[in-house]
Amino acid sequence: GAVVSQHPSWVICKSGTSVKIECRSLDFQATTMFWYRQFPKQSLMLMATSNEGSKATYEQGVEKDKFLINHASLTLSTLTVTSAHPEDSSFYICSARERVNTEAFFGQGTRLTVV
Amino acid sequence: RKEVEQDPGPFNVPEGATVAFNCTYSNSASQSFFWYRQDCRKEPKLLMSVYSSGNEDGRFTAQLNRASQYISLLIRDSKLSDSATYLCVVKLPPKFYFGSGTKLNVKP
Repeated sequence: GAVVSQHPSWVICKSGTSVKIECRSLDFQATTMFWYRQFPKQSLMLMATSNEGSKATYEQGVEKDKFLINHASLTLSTLTVTSAHPEDSSFYICSARERVNTEAFFGQGTRLTVV
Repeated sequence: RKEVEQDPGPFNVPEGATVAFNCTYSNSASQSFFWYRQDCRKEPKLLMSVYSSGNEDGRFTAQLNRASQYISLLIRDSKLSDSATYLCVVKLPPKFYFGSGTKLNVKP
């Protein structure tokens, strides 16, 4: 199947700093990318949907100024967690889809720990 | 009401057992349905899509009941390696909605 690469796989940062997570589609052009967050023992919660070249659409309750999403090319989307706090510690996963009716493939996830 | 609901389990079964998971969805306009498997601290991986006519892939059988808005996953002859969390996923374009997952523990 298609490959989506997410980097880094884990990161520890100090409270107040910003962290950037990259999501790349390696063998297809991702017109749409999704960013999810998963807290322990909970399901994946959609944070935002981004279409290449457009502003991301954020889910209710997700602060767009705190979670900056950039989808500048068909193979790369980034999520920047700005001014991270311990409550932002979570597992962040991206998924990418080529077209509307195609399957979405997941990146490996990024485990963020804010200390 | 959540878009997708699943029994969180855990389901503890012996090797060789048959186990079934159900999942209900709230929006009748949902278009596509999937079962994903997620191992601890890993990303979800597609196990199988679910078609209206039902479909089978080896030991795994998925069924969809649109009238009652539920989907099911049946695992026959459980293996130790089947231990994981199984996520029910419903696509209501452009979004995918995830259930909270059902944890399966297969014991020797």
